[in-house]
Amino acid sequence: GAVVSQHPSRVICKSGTSVKIECRSLDFQATTMFWYRQFPKQSLMLMATSNEGSKATYEQGVEKDKFLINHASLTLSTLTVTSAHPEDSSFYICSARDSGRGELFFGEGSRLTVL
Amino acid sequence: AQSVTQLGSHVSVSEGALVLLRCNYSSSVPPYLFWYVQYPNQGLQLLLKYTSAATLVKGINGFEAEFKKSETSFHLTKPSAHMSDAAEYFCAVSYNQGGKLIFGQGTELSVKP
Repeated sequence: GAVVSQHPSRVICKSGTSVKIECRSLDFQATTMFWYRQFPKQSLMLMATSNEGSKATYEQGVEKDKFLINHASLTLSTLTVTSAHPEDSSFYICSARDSGRGELFFGEGSRLTVL
Repeated sequence: AQSVTQLGSHVSVSEGALVLLRCNYSSSVPPYLFWYVQYPNQGLQLLLKYTSAATLVKGINGFEAEFKKSETSFHLTKPSAHMSDAAEYFCAVSYNQGGKLIFGQGTELSVKP
């Protein structure tokens, strides 16, 4: 089956630093990727829709300057958490839409801990 | 607008018993509906999906779900629970097969030996 890889799977950083999380579609092209955030014991909340070659579309309440999304190629989208604070600690999950089949595939998630 | 409500944040069953996880949706257009499973510290795995074809959908690991438009429901069932079924289950709705998903609150399934 199609594979979506996220890296890193776990990251710990100090407050005030920036962290980049990558989402790659390994065997298909993805013009659209989605970024979700999940707090412990809670559901997934859509943060933004990442479109290859254009600006991301952010959901209401998500700070675009805080969560920078770049979708520079058909197989890679990145989420950068800028000036991270402890409240940004969460599980971030991406999904990628296979442009050919129209199906969505999820990455394994990235756990961010901000000290 | 679309939304999903999962009744019961936690369901506990005995091994071998029927599993029933409830999901009701709200959508102004014919919905695409999905069930995903999540194991601790992992991403989501698709169990099954409804895309306006057959109303009874069979998925992986013996799970199935029935789309009932009159009840706006898409409940997930499995005839006989296995210990490996213990996980978090999410129902989700979308306008199309590859569009953004709106997730329910999730239901944690526990399986007792």
